[in-house]
Amino acid sequence: KAGVTQTPRYLIKTRGQQVTLSCSPISGHRSVSWYQQTPGQGLQFLFEYFSETQRNKGNFPGRFSGRQFSNSRSEMNVSTLELGDSALYLCASSLTGMPGNTIYFGEGSWLTVV
Amino acid sequence: AQSVTQPDIHITVSEGASLELRCNYSYGATPYLFWYVQSPGQGLQLLLKYFSGDTLVQGIKGFEAEFKRSQSSFNLRKPSVHWSDAAEYFCAVAPKVSTDSWGKLQFGAGTQVVVTP
Repeated sequence: KAGVTQTPRYLIKTRGQQVTLSCSPISGHRSVSWYQQTPGQGLQFLFEYFSETQRNKGNFPGRFSGRQFSNSRSEMNVSTLELGDSALYLCASSLTGMPGNTIYFGEGSWLTVV
Repeated sequence: AQSVTQPDIHITVSEGASLELRCNYSYGATPYLFWYVQSPGQGLQLLLKYFSGDTLVQGIKGFEAEFKRSQSSFNLRKPSVHWSDAAEYFCAVAPKVSTDSWGKLQFGAGTQVVVTP
């Protein structure tokens, strides 16, 4: 069974641009979460989607957004990129997103903002 | 405030020696507990999880963890470390009942493990 797949794996963007990252969850998983990982802040929860609806959200500015499609695939978007947005963005999936569900992570998308 | 603490930022261990990584949590009730490992340039791989029951949990790659309610701890152990165990290890928790728990884990800061020959 395929794991969580994220694309692209690496990308470089210029300050002020926007970026879209894509995530395909494990087959049968309907909950998709996104996390940002930086050396300074560690792993931080961005948001979670289930059945095309955002159910949970972390403390990030509105420049960070996401969506989920009917096949559970998800995208996240960051607009007006800042240097501080350089990070590893991890997508994770679980069956339903309920507390206690095992959460599986993809390999991440490395974003560098220059 | 709810928190997850990994007291050791960095641990160096000799190959073949035992390893113990500490994790303490502060929650109103015992949460669900997880350990993940991250190799350089990679995502997170689940090592093991504790939901309830037997307090000694076996995971993959020869790891085990022990839940101690009295100490609010969930320490990860491996009897004999291999060079391939060099990685960063994260303790994570999910509260059992919370309005903002959907799909969310709270992570500790991580412990970097270096394995020397």
